[in-house]
Amino acid sequence: EVQLVQSGAEVKKPGESLKISCKISGYTLTRNWIGWVRQTPGKVLECMGIIYPGDSDTSYSPSFQGQVTISVDKSISTAYLHWSSLKASDTAIYYCARFGLGSAFDYWGQGTLVTVSS
Amino acid sequence: QSALTQPASVSGSPGQSITLSCTGVSGDVGRFDHVSWYQQHPGKAPKLIIFEGSKRPSGVSNRFSASKSGITASLTISGLQAEDEADYYCCSYADSITLGVFGGGTKLTVL
Repeated sequence: EVQLVQSGAEVKKPGESLKISCKISGYTLTRNWIGWVRQTPGKVLECMGIIYPGDSDTSYSPSFQGQVTISVDKSISTAYLHWSSLKASDTAIYYCARFGLGSAFDYWGQGTLVTVSS
Repeated sequence: QSALTQPASVSGSPGQSITLSCTGVSGDVGRFDHVSWYQQHPGKAPKLIIFEGSKRPSGVSNRFSASKSGITASLTISGLQAEDEADYYCCSYADSITLGVFGGGTKLTVL
């Protein structure tokens, strides 16, 4: 069974750093890209970027280029989303998802709520 | 790349058929067949219900069907059930730079 299990909710202050995780299991990791999707408090979904676990090749949507870093540790089948300096506008739910069937996100993690507030 | 346009809300009665629209531009929906649809219940992650414009993943009810004409993609739900009440999002592959572009979502209410 394909599963993506994300780390728990975070509350941070502006300027702080954060790395959230996504533990992947149930299939051969290097068969699919993994993506991160942001859902804003207004429920807008935005594709942030994708990473290929085989060689860590990464592609970011223009809005998120330079704002976050996506990485993967193949040895523990875990993908990460990292911020070096959070802003209040980063408050959202973040989902990891497998980029699979027909260039769609076919399996999703349960989401990680990130709250950034002073 | 602008978000795809979806109506904010639609409603229907149990047993009815209802169609949700998703309008893009020639560079996304109009150009590619990689339109996907997602269902999201409150407090849950989105669930893929349609990929490549009209295909259903294993386990998704055949009450869900989809098509595309020009720059507009459509999702039809037949035999509406209470459990269908959810938010529905379309998504189109745009290009290798922008990756996926989502619609703003449609809230479906089953009366």
